[in-house]
Order: sequence, then C-alpha cells, then structure tokens
Amino acid sequence: EVQLVQSGAEVKKPGESLKISCKGSGYSFTSYWIGWVRQMPGKGLEWMGIIYPGDSDTRYSPSFQGQVTISADKSISTAYLQWSSLKASDTAMYYCVRHGFTMVRGVRGRWFDPWGQGTLVTVSS
Amino acid sequence: QTVVTQEPSLTVSPGGTVTLTCASSTGAVTSGYYPNWFQQKPGQAPRALIYSTSNKHSWTPARFSGSLLGGKAALTLSGVQPEDEAEYYCLLYYGGAQVVFGGGTKLTVL
Repeated sequence: EVQLVQSGAEVKKPGESLKISCKGSGYSFTSYWIGWVRQMPGKGLEWMGIIYPGDSDTRYSPSFQGQVTISADKSISTAYLQWSSLKASDTAMYYCVRHGFTMVRGVRGRWFDPWGQGTLVTVSS
Repeated sequence: QTVVTQEPSLTVSPGGTVTLTCASSTGAVTSGYYPNWFQQKPGQAPRALIYSTSNKHSWTPARFSGSLLGGKAALTLSGVQPEDEAEYYCLLYYGGAQVVFGGGTKLTVL
C-alpha cells in the first residue's frame, strides 16, 4: 500500500524551531515529488512547495519562500518541513502529498496522491 | 499573485446534479493547467478525485466527472449522495513551483 505517514502534533512557543516529517512507503520514494500544503484553522488549502527526493530539487511557492525549508533524506524515505523561528500565524495543519505523472492516451497527466494524515502545529505563548 | 476562484458554497438535493467550477485570474483554464479536484470532509485529509481535467482515480465514484466548461475547470456530481457533503478544492498547475488551490466550495446536500 502506498502511503505517507506524518509525524505527530506539535505545540511550540513563538521563536522556537521545528521540523516535521513525512515518511513514504510502498513505492519508490526517489521517483516522485513530495509537496507540502498548509491549512490554517477553518481555511482552505495553500501550496507551500515541493521537493524531488531523487536529487533534492526544491521549489517554493512565492508566499512561503524564505519562511520555511523543505528537505528530504532519501536513505530513510522521509521528507521534512522546518521552521527556524515559529510565529503564532504558523498555527495550522500541514499535509504532505505525493505528486506524480501518468501518460493518459498519449498525453501527460499530473496527479497528487496519496496525502499524509496531517500534522497539527500549534504555536502559542 | 495568481488567484483561483471557486463558488464558496452550493446546495444540492439528494439525487440531483451539481457543477462546481474553478476559474483562473490569468484567463481561461485549459488542460495545460492539469486541473485536479479533491474532496475534504471535516477532520480528514483531502482525498484526490480527478486529475488532469477529467481522469478519475481508481476509487473515484462514477457519479463524479471532470471537464472544461466555459473557460473554467468543472467538477460535476450526478446523482448526489448524502455522503458527498464536503468541501471540494480544485488545483491548477502553472509550472515550476507555481501550484495554486482554489478557495474551496462547501457542498451541502439537503
């Protein structure tokens, strides 16, 4: 079974650092991109960025560039999302999702599946 | 800043048909934006339904279909079931790191 399993919920204070994880299993981890998505309380989904674990090629959404760091350790099939100094506004659920490609009737298709179960990050003094 | 717009909310009767749309601030949505659709129920992670405009995943119920309609991506539910009540998000791919979600449509089955 293909799955992404994320690390558990975190409660942190403003200014602290944090690294959450997303472990892939059931597929070749180095052959698919892993994206990170933020969902603030009661709000919609926001794309943060993406990494290709095969060569660590990483791309950030402009809104999140410089705010977080995305990385991966292919030896343990795990992607990471980290903050060096958390803010209260970082309080959210964070999801990882696998991104891949398929040829459908000779045309390239892009899909996003599966999703991790989510990691709730709470930042409060 | 690219904005992807969905209807904030829609209501449909059980057994009815409803179409959700997904518009881009850059102009008409085409297959080159690889529209994807996701369903999210309260307290759950999103679940993929449709990829690249109209392709279903193996678990996607037959009553869900995707298309392009009037310059937008569209998700149509035919024969709506009570369990289809959920938030639905579209995603458009603009190239490189630029992937943008729509604001979501809250579908009520009433």
